[in-house]
Parts: sequence; structure tokens; C-alpha cells
Amino acid sequence: GAVVSQHPSRVICKSGTSVKIECRSLDFQATTMFWYRQFPKQSLMLMATSNEGSKATYEQGVEKDKFLINHASLTLSTLTVTSAHPEDSSFYICSASFGQWRGRSAKNIQYFGAGTRLSVL
Amino acid sequence: AQSVTQLGSHVSVSEGALVLLRCNYSSSVPPYLFWYVQYPNQGLQLLLKYTTGATLVKGINGFEAEFKKSETSFHLTKPSAHMSDAAEYFCAVSDAGNQFYFGTGTSLTVIP
Repeated sequence: GAVVSQHPSRVICKSGTSVKIECRSLDFQATTMFWYRQFPKQSLMLMATSNEGSKATYEQGVEKDKFLINHASLTLSTLTVTSAHPEDSSFYICSASFGQWRGRSAKNIQYFGAGTRLSVL
Repeated sequence: AQSVTQLGSHVSVSEGALVLLRCNYSSSVPPYLFWYVQYPNQGLQLLLKYTTGATLVKGINGFEAEFKKSETSFHLTKPSAHMSDAAEYFCAVSDAGNQFYFGTGTSLTVIP
């Protein structure tokens, strides 16, 4: 199946620093990438949707200046948590979707990365 | 707008017993339906999906789910639970716009 790589898997940083998380589609071109946040024992909360080459669309309540998303190529999207604070500590998960794969329609299917555990001290 | 309801945030079954995780959805258009599994500190792995065609869908690890339009349900089953099935399970629905809506998850515990 389609593989999405997310890096780093875990990061610990000091309050006030910025952290960048990478999400790569390894064997397909991701037309759309999604960033989610997951609190302990809860479901995934969609933060933003990004299409390659265009600005990300943020969900209501998500600060776009704090969570910078760049989708510069069809295989890479990055999420930068700027000036991180302890309340930003969470599990961040990316996913990617694409139009076709090996000649078959694959729209509306999201493939997820392994997640990044962010701890801000 | 879409929504997903997973009945039972925690389900416990004995090893070898039937697993049944419930999912109901609301959708104004024909939905795409998914079940994902999440192990601790990991991302989500696609178990199975329904897009079109046969309403009984078979997935990985012996799981299957049946799309019942009249009941707006997509329950996940497995005939015989294994210890390795213990995880968090999420049901999701998407519309033609590729937006995903997740349920709140069901934590499955398998008792030896």
C-alpha cells in the first residue's frame, strides 16, 4: 500500500522554540495532505488541509501563524509549530491522499504517517 | 455535514471471542467509509474501506465490515479475537470533497 513517512517520531523542546515536522509520501504523489492533532484518549482533530503549491486551509480555531504548513512538492509537507508552549504538547499526525495509484482510483482514501509526539518543556 | 458515532468507547472481549465494534454515520451523500486501527504511539493503519460495490468488505488481519445503507451503519467484526488485536479503532466517513470525519474511537481490550 501507499506509504507515508513522518519525521521525527518524537521531539522534546524548550518553550519558545520552533519545531518542524515532515510528512513524506514515499511511493506516490500526494495531491492533498492533512495535518491532525490528537489528544490522549481522543479522536483526531483536523488542523489543516494542504494542496501542493497552494496555501493551506485551516480549520476553525487553529492559529495559522502558530502552525505553519508548507506543501512545496507533491511528496513533502511540513508543519512548523512556532514558539511552542507546553499546551502545544500533543500527538501530531499527517496523512496524504491522491487521485490515482497504479491506474486505479484512490481518491478519498487517506494514508497516515506514524505520528510525532511533541513534548514542550 | 457528516458525522460518525462509535457506540462504546471501550470494548472488552475474551481471546477467541467475536469482536463487534459499532459505527453509525450520517451523510447527505453516498459516503466512503473506513476503519482504521491505531496502536499506542503510532499513526493510523487502514483496516478496510468501503467505496462502492459489494457491501461486505474484507480487510486485513481477519477483520470485515458491512455497509448497511438502511441502518446507516458500518460495523466492524472479527470472528475470533487475538491478543494482538488490542488497540484503538476509529471509524471514518468521507464525502466527495475528501474531508474525513472520524468517530471518537473504540478501545479494544482482549482478555486472555
